[in-house]
Amino acid sequence: ETGVTQTPRHLVMGMTNKKSLKCEQHLGHNAMYWYKQSAKKPLELMFVYSLEERVENNSVPSRFSPECPNSSHLFLHLHTLQPEDSALYLCASSRRADEKLFFGSGTQLSVL
Amino acid sequence: DQQVKQNSPSLSVQEGRISILNCDYTNSMFDYFLWYKKYPAEGPTFLISISSIKDKNEDGRFTVFLNKSAKHLSLHIVPSQPGDSAVYFCAASERSGGGADGLTFGKGTHLIIQP
Repeated sequence: ETGVTQTPRHLVMGMTNKKSLKCEQHLGHNAMYWYKQSAKKPLELMFVYSLEERVENNSVPSRFSPECPNSSHLFLHLHTLQPEDSALYLCASSRRADEKLFFGSGTQLSVL
Repeated sequence: DQQVKQNSPSLSVQEGRISILNCDYTNSMFDYFLWYKKYPAEGPTFLISISSIKDKNEDGRFTVFLNKSAKHLSLHIVPSQPGDSAVYFCAASERSGGGADGLTFGKGTHLIIQP
């Protein structure tokens, strides 16, 4: 248990669906992240929130929409995804944006 | 363009021997390096880190070596144990730059410890 909880663990959705991924951290950290892990590719940073403000958006398509209502919670809203968006989506947190990350177990997403 | 490279997708080592995982980077602004370990169906977990002001950091069976001139780091595990079988990710960041970019990861190396 790393102190970072992600739900759901698995998600299957159609291309026209809207769904949300949820992340919660119980570590008192100030920075939260979304990473994407596709098969045979490195972990790709999608979004960084520091003190609830988004500080990084790595040219992620608008069909992915993050939300950070407070320092403990992070959401990733998904809308009209494509099959190539199927991947493991990992949430992480850190005490500060330049410190080591603690990861959740991830959500394995399949887009049909 | 990949800034952190792990050129060996997999590595097989006999139990009790030394495992050496390698990582190269291209961004000379990176000044903080980490290794993460990942089991199937779990998120990566932090293993060990090293700052660019050091060339070695040791924690139990794990030692990370940094060669800044070669832009190369390695993780040594000795002795290797069956529970070490996992995917190992190398990661780097520009801490002195505020680190708001998060960590840049390599593709990972799948370490298999054989009995």
